[in-house]
Amino acid sequence: DTEVTQTPKHLVMGMTNKKSLKCEQHMGHRAMYWYKQKAKKPPELMFVYSYEKLSINESVPSRFSPECPNSSLLNLHLHALQPEDSALYLCASSQESQGREAFFGQGTRLTVV
Amino acid sequence: GESVGLHLPTLSVQEGDNSIINCAYSNSASDYFIWYKQESGKGPQFIIDIRSNMDKRQGQRVTVLLNKTVKHLSLQIAATQPGDSAVYFCAEANQAGTALIFGKGTTLSVSS
Repeated sequence: DTEVTQTPKHLVMGMTNKKSLKCEQHMGHRAMYWYKQKAKKPPELMFVYSYEKLSINESVPSRFSPECPNSSLLNLHLHALQPEDSALYLCASSQESQGREAFFGQGTRLTVV
Repeated sequence: GESVGLHLPTLSVQEGDNSIINCAYSNSASDYFIWYKQESGKGPQFIIDIRSNMDKRQGQRVTVLLNKTVKHLSLQIAATQPGDSAVYFCAEANQAGTALIFGKGTTLSVSS
């Protein structure tokens, strides 16, 4: 299994809603990542988890809250988002937290209304 | 600072041509580089990577060249096919070596 699975594929939420994005991998990877990608732009790093501990937070607003319940799962909890937070949210994993070959999921297309 | 960029935002080629996509990076200490392909509505897909102790690496129809002197990376695609149409990103490991930082991307369009 060389897949990173993200759910849901699409999400529309209001600015007062609370929702969660989910990511799962079964490759035994110990590093997991959240990236945000706006249209026609490169992915931007948000968070890095290494061995289930948060190792990098790229100054992401607190309305985004990551969680790593175990080595296979990564969540991104969303609360009080703004319309400008609408983007493709990508999850990735790699064998170790060494910035090496990362496998990406298909992303969650988030629209904040 | 760390940044990875591409020279051209778009590249149009005919089917069967060879394509060359370029990327410039600024961190001379970078020791790992990777190329991703991203098709519309999908996540980035690994193409090929290269470490800084190499200057060339070949895959199936793809070759990555690394010129550390001028901090330049290129992706060559042989016999380009319509299925190669996508956005191509180069990325490098960040300074701590803990994540990938992406360049701006080149949109490759292949006409048949």
